[in-house]
Amino acid sequence: KAGVTQTPRYLIKTRGQQVTLSCSPISGHRSVSWYQQTPGQGLQFLFEYFSETQRNKGNFPGRFSGRQFSNSRSEMNVSTLELGDSALYLCASSSGLAGRVNTGELFFGEGSRLTVL
Amino acid sequence: AQTVTQSQPEMSVQEAETVTLSCTYDTSESDYYLFWYKQPPSRQMILVIRQEAYKQQNATENRFSVNFQKAAKSFSLKISDSQLGDAAMYFCAYGGNRDDKIIFGKGTRLHILP
Repeated sequence: KAGVTQTPRYLIKTRGQQVTLSCSPISGHRSVSWYQQTPGQGLQFLFEYFSETQRNKGNFPGRFSGRQFSNSRSEMNVSTLELGDSALYLCASSSGLAGRVNTGELFFGEGSRLTVL
Repeated sequence: AQTVTQSQPEMSVQEAETVTLSCTYDTSESDYYLFWYKQPPSRQMILVIRQEAYKQQNATENRFSVNFQKAAKSFSLKISDSQLGDAAMYFCAYGGNRDDKIIFGKGTRLHILP
């Protein structure tokens, strides 16, 4: 079974630009969660999608958005990039117990490393 | 809101020795799940062990075991017979019943000394 695939793996942007990151979950998994990882803050929850619906959102500004497609693939977008957005963005998929993500194992991708100059 | 705290940013242990990583959490829920995840230098995070709060028995996975103290809201990870491959960032995580999300602590970087 293929794992969680994130693209691109590395990218460099300048302030003010926007970026779109992609995540393909494990086949059959309908839940996709996104996290921002920085050295000082650890993993911070961005949002979670299940069957194309955003079920939960973290405390990030509206510049951070996401969506999920009917094939469970997910994208996240960051507009008007700031220096502080430089981070590793991790995607995780889960089958969940009865659709719930909190009870089960998260399967992570290798992440997309974003550098904002 | 639920929080997860890991008070040890870094730890070192001699190979073959035992090490314990600490984690505390705060929640008003009675039913929830706790996790320890490992992130090796290659960055892909994997689940090490999972504990269901309603189970009193501590979870064990080979050399990895937890000490779950529900009243104290403490969830420590013990690694026995440490191996070089155990070197990684370890994250403690919480999954409650109210939200469809798992919350992570800031992590503990574990160094294994040969």
